[in-house]
Formats: sequence, C-alpha cells, structure tokens
Amino acid sequence: AQKITQTQPGMFVQEKEAVTLDCTYDTSDPSYGLFWYKQPSSGEMIFLIYQGSYDQQNATEGRYSLNFQKARKSANLVISASQLGDSAMYFCAMREHPGNQFYFGTGTSLTVIP
Amino acid sequence: EAGVVQSPRYKIIEKKQPVAFWCNPISGHNTLYWYRQNLGQGPELLIRYENEEAVDDSQLPKDRFSAERLKGVDSTLKIQPAELGDSAVYLCASSLADSSTGYTFGSGTRLTVV
Repeated sequence: AQKITQTQPGMFVQEKEAVTLDCTYDTSDPSYGLFWYKQPSSGEMIFLIYQGSYDQQNATEGRYSLNFQKARKSANLVISASQLGDSAMYFCAMREHPGNQFYFGTGTSLTVIP
Repeated sequence: EAGVVQSPRYKIIEKKQPVAFWCNPISGHNTLYWYRQNLGQGPELLIRYENEEAVDDSQLPKDRFSAERLKGVDSTLKIQPAELGDSAVYLCASSLADSSTGYTFGSGTRLTVV
C-alpha cells in the first residue's frame, strides 16, 4: 500500500486565489510527522510546513497552512493568496517513528494563472 | 549558513561508464540521505547515514551502486556501470537526528545516461 497518496497530478489556480492540495497517508505508527515540500523547475526541494501527529492545532507558515484531519489520515496543504512564484511541484511526505523512514507522494503540479 | 551542496549539477555519460556524485551537508547535520527522483515521481530513498554509518541501505542497488561517508561529513554516491534506467535526479539531504523541520535538500544532480 502507498504510504502517501496525492491524487491531483495537476492543479490550476487564479492568482490571488486560495488552493488546496490533497494528501492522504497510511501508517499504523502513532508517532509520525507530515511535511510538505515545494520543488520549482530548478529542482531543489524546499521545505514548507510540518505537522506532528500529536499536534493539536493545524500548522501554519505564512501563506501556507496544513489542514490536518487525523481520523481521515489526511494532511492537505492550503496556499492562500496564490502568487505566480507558487507555480511548482508540491510533494507531501511522511516520516514514521522509530526508524526515521521518510516517504514521498508522487506530487502535484500547481500552475498559477495571472 | 551554506545549504547542502551537491556537484556536479548536471552529468551526461554513456551507458556502462562510471559516475560519481558528491554531497556536502549542512555543518552539524549528522544524518545524510541520498534520494533518487525519476521524472514525474517523488524522491525515493537510496541510503541513509547516521554520521559515518550507513543505517539504511535496503533500497540501494548494491550490484552497481555504492556510497561512502568516510569522516561523517561529505558523501559520495557512485554508479558503476551506469545503465539507461539510471537517468534521474539524485538528491542529497541532511538533517539533525530528529528534526521537525524535515530535511534540507541540495539542488540535486541530473544524470542522463545515453
């Protein structure tokens, strides 16, 4: 079974609008971390946001927020006020404890339209 | 602070030739990872080091791939001989032992085997 599932191969959003990128995960470990990374065309993976499995509140980092629904095992990324520079691939990832295994999804390509 | 440095940035080789990639992690990061990212997919772990010890190399194709991190700092990943299917981006990342900020990735080496 896939550890991380991203069902949206590509998404389009109008500039200044909000967009939600979906991510579901599969683990039986009670302690885990969820991450989102941005990969622009240059290839570098840029860390965006982290959510711990025991965190009570949804994580937020500037225009990024993580909609964490533990019972549904989903960790959707919300980008508010989209900018042209947000156009990139976005990867959801999970790290289980112990063992420090780190799994990535297949990614979602986001295009921001002027 | 310098990020994770990888070289070369691009490499084109003929099949059956050897190739090596180099990674210098962030100073103080004891954990180092090599990932392979095929086109249109998420990164997949090849090997993880804790200091100079390879603690997870289960996904490393050991018949042709090798890696080393002799002094627990820089690391080299080698392929010998390369095959057409090895064409991918090879990403290096580093982190503190249990960082909630995820990994810091390098810019990657884009390998093309012709």
